[in-house]
Amino acid sequence: DTAVSQTPKYLVTQMGNDKSIKCEQNLGHDTMYWYKQDSKKFLKIMFSYNNKELIINETVPNRFSPKSPDKAHLNLHINSLELGDSAVYFCASSQKAGTTGELFFGEGSRLTVL
Amino acid sequence: GNSVTQMEGPVTLSEEAFLTINCTYTATGYPSLFWYVQYPGEGLQLLLKATKADDKGSNKGFEATYRKETTSFHLEKGSVQVSDSAVYFCALSGNTNAGKSTFGDGTTLTVKP
Repeated sequence: DTAVSQTPKYLVTQMGNDKSIKCEQNLGHDTMYWYKQDSKKFLKIMFSYNNKELIINETVPNRFSPKSPDKAHLNLHINSLELGDSAVYFCASSQKAGTTGELFFGEGSRLTVL
Repeated sequence: GNSVTQMEGPVTLSEEAFLTINCTYTATGYPSLFWYVQYPGEGLQLLLKATKADDKGSNKGFEATYRKETTSFHLEKGSVQVSDSAVYFCALSGNTNAGKSTFGDGTTLTVKP
């Protein structure tokens, strides 16, 4: 049973399209995150939700919109895709925001924008 | 703000060689420190952690000691295997800033037979 699962694993699309990535965790955690990993493997946090409430919103273009329907799910919608959006997007969860616990990562969604 | 600086890669070693990947940090308060490993095509997973000064985290033959005086958390393994080839990330997590984790840039390790 996968703890943090995200779909799809691969996305290939044209510039200007809109796409979504979904994430679900079955660990009972309160906090979920989206990270972006570029081709050099640098990790950058994008968003964090604690129990459906947005608590971290880094400098990310408005084209990226996260949504958390409940604390077990965090989706990422991207409008008007650009070449620079090509990356691997990781969903992660942790037990509780404001604590110092470990992160549990999904396997990643590789987005390629042509 | 918080920051993590880790040794630049890539690092290439022969099997059974000794591994050290340096990691230093800047943080307010008393963060927890982590090493995550990312195998090819996978997400990150926790390798080991330490939550207070002088704690030693260990797992799968890897070790790291939380050194407050030098603000360091260097990763070591006495004898690496081909299966240890991966990207290694040092990270810290504090009680402030919504518990946001701060990651280093990652170090790619390749172990040759």
